[in-house]
Amino acid sequence: DADVTQTPRNRITKTGKRIMLECSQTKGHDRMYWYRQDPGLGLRLIYYSFDVKDINKGEISDGYSVSRQAQAKFSLSLESAIPNQTALYFCATSDRVIAGGSTDTQYFGPGTRLTVL
Amino acid sequence: GNSVTQMEGPVTLSEEAFLTINCTYTATGYPSLFWYVQYPGEGLQLLLKATKADDKGSNKGFEATYRKETTSFHLEKGSVQVSDSAVYFCALSKEGGRRALTFGSGTRLQVQP
Repeated sequence: DADVTQTPRNRITKTGKRIMLECSQTKGHDRMYWYRQDPGLGLRLIYYSFDVKDINKGEISDGYSVSRQAQAKFSLSLESAIPNQTALYFCATSDRVIAGGSTDTQYFGPGTRLTVL
Repeated sequence: GNSVTQMEGPVTLSEEAFLTINCTYTATGYPSLFWYVQYPGEGLQLLLKATKADDKGSNKGFEATYRKETTSFHLEKGSVQVSDSAVYFCALSKEGGRRALTFGSGTRLQVQP
């Protein structure tokens, strides 16, 4: 089974609808992230969470909200979807940085392709 | 702030050709540097990483050396295969910081038989 799963994998919705994208992980990591990918722009950080009570905005958080329901679950919501939120959304996890050690690797889910009409 | 610049693609090569994908970065302090690969229809996978100056990351025949003097982390492979066709992302992470990865825009590699 995959370590990081995302549901749904594909979603088409209409402008103004509320959408929730879900992410679950079995890696036991504390840190979880939401990114969006747009052609030619790479991945950009939306929100990140270092534990259940520590949630932070990324560089493009406007129009999005998140919920960290448990260590293993991190959901992304679009309260009122708009067409320029059409993108590929990725969830990722990482373990905490070891003091004096190197930054750990991020592990990505398979992505959710969202289309807002 | 931190940023990563990659060469634009697509890069089209014949099988067994030599590959270089350029990556330069801007960051304060000493970031960790990564190459991620995205195969068609899949999420990103870590390809290799380097955490300090002059480190060389390597995996699956790919290599990249952390060059602090030129702020670069170019990806190389001596002989590409059709199965290497994918999008490659350079990224950095500021050690000790609370930020997540900062990605370049990605470079699509197409390897023809």
